[in-house]
Amino acid sequence: DQQVKQNSPSLSVQEGRISILNCDYTNSMFDYFLWYKKYPAEGPTFLISISSIKDKNEDGRFTVFLNKSAKHLSLHIVPSQPGDSAVYFCAASAQGSGTYKYIFGTGTRLKVLA
Amino acid sequence: GAGVSQTPSNKVTEKGKYVELRCDPISGHTALYWYRQSLGQGPEFLIYFQGTGAADDSGLPNDRFFAVRPEGSVSTLKIQRTERGDSAVYLCASSRTSGIPDTQYFGPGTRLTVL
Repeated sequence: DQQVKQNSPSLSVQEGRISILNCDYTNSMFDYFLWYKKYPAEGPTFLISISSIKDKNEDGRFTVFLNKSAKHLSLHIVPSQPGDSAVYFCAASAQGSGTYKYIFGTGTRLKVLA
Repeated sequence: GAGVSQTPSNKVTEKGKYVELRCDPISGHTALYWYRQSLGQGPEFLIYFQGTGAADDSGLPNDRFFAVRPEGSVSTLKIQRTERGDSAVYLCASSRTSGIPDTQYFGPGTRLTVL
């Protein structure tokens, strides 16, 4: 049972436009959500996070939106740059339940075209 | 450097052999995590340490896998009688504490290939 799903394996966006990456989850106990970016042969790099008490968190060009009723989160990158080309993973954990492990989605490969 | 480091970066072994993978967490981080990532998948949780003790080992696939963190800093993941299905990238992460919220920072991983 996949608790965190990223249904789009890949996405191509023109440089300067908005990239929207989506993630759905099934476990209502999840209360902390994160996005990681991964380049080939490197470990995942933390990008941005959001707690379940918020519905939006912004950091520069990156914004994460959380819709708890739909069990859906999204990552917006504006404007997209070629250096953003990477695999993006969403992750979730139920820290309020004392569970600190992250459950990851399968990733979305973003390609930003110059 | 100040990040999580993992050694070796690559390990090739033969089926049935024993391997050890090492993780050096960020200085001062008390929580340490091991994950495994197979091709086309996201990282999958294996085990989590808070200090020296394993707080959650529910992700270890079987008793061939074992991990230690004897002094609450460096951790070693040990795999006995390796199988071809153990081939994956093994990722280590650390965090300041297991408090709420808690962000994990990952190392570059060890790519294990079992022939």
